Amino acid sequence: LAKTTQPISMDSYEGQEVNITCSHNNIATNDYITWYQQFPSQGPRFIIQGYKTKVTNEVASLFIPADRKSSTLSLPRVSLSDTAVYYCLVEDPSGNTGKLIFGQGTTLQVKP
Amino acid sequence: DADVTQTPRNRITKTGKRIMLECSQTKGHDRMYWYRQDPGLGLRLIYYSFDVKDINKGEISDGYSVSRQAQAKFSLSLESAIPNQTALYFCATSDPRRGGAEYNEQFFGPGTRLTVL
Repeated sequence: LAKTTQPISMDSYEGQEVNITCSHNNIATNDYITWYQQFPSQGPRFIIQGYKTKVTNEVASLFIPADRKSSTLSLPRVSLSDTAVYYCLVEDPSGNTGKLIFGQGTTLQVKP
Repeated sequence: DADVTQTPRNRITKTGKRIMLECSQTKGHDRMYWYRQDPGLGLRLIYYSFDVKDINKGEISDGYSVSRQAQAKFSLSLESAIPNQTALYFCATSDPRRGGAEYNEQFFGPGTRLTVL
């Protein structure tokens, strides 16, 4: 599975837009890009998934350029409750593994 | 009620003891997983199961074993616990048919914090 690289930590303030970029230079044709969120002492929670261009849901947006070697998770107008670790993963959902590989993630700290 | 439950939530044990962590799910998913998380690190896959008759090793299976007693139950055992198995353990489930072919969303339990002294 393709390896991902993302910043270890980020700080932001309430009400700001936060963009977390993830690099995945070796992404394969069948791979999708998936983001999970993890609060302290809880299991990760799926946020968003995409293959190319832009995907938006009620929580976030995911921007993927044409070469798909990177992606950006965008959180609009963050609040204190968005403080969490965000993981970028690449996976082939159609494959038979079903395995997810989590890196260190990005710890986002939202300040008042 | 939570869809994915884990018992116990916290456990302190001694080196050499046998420990079993249990996971139950009411989501009706065929696929189940066990991960461990160490402080400041991401999750690492220990074992996974695609159905009752299917068990597969993950990236760090040494020192662990699993049992898939039913579709809804997946247990993780540490036959002889050692201190470096102190970690947060998560169970997860998924259904590859959910949401279309491109989704493999995993649903995680609340975790079991295990301390081996």
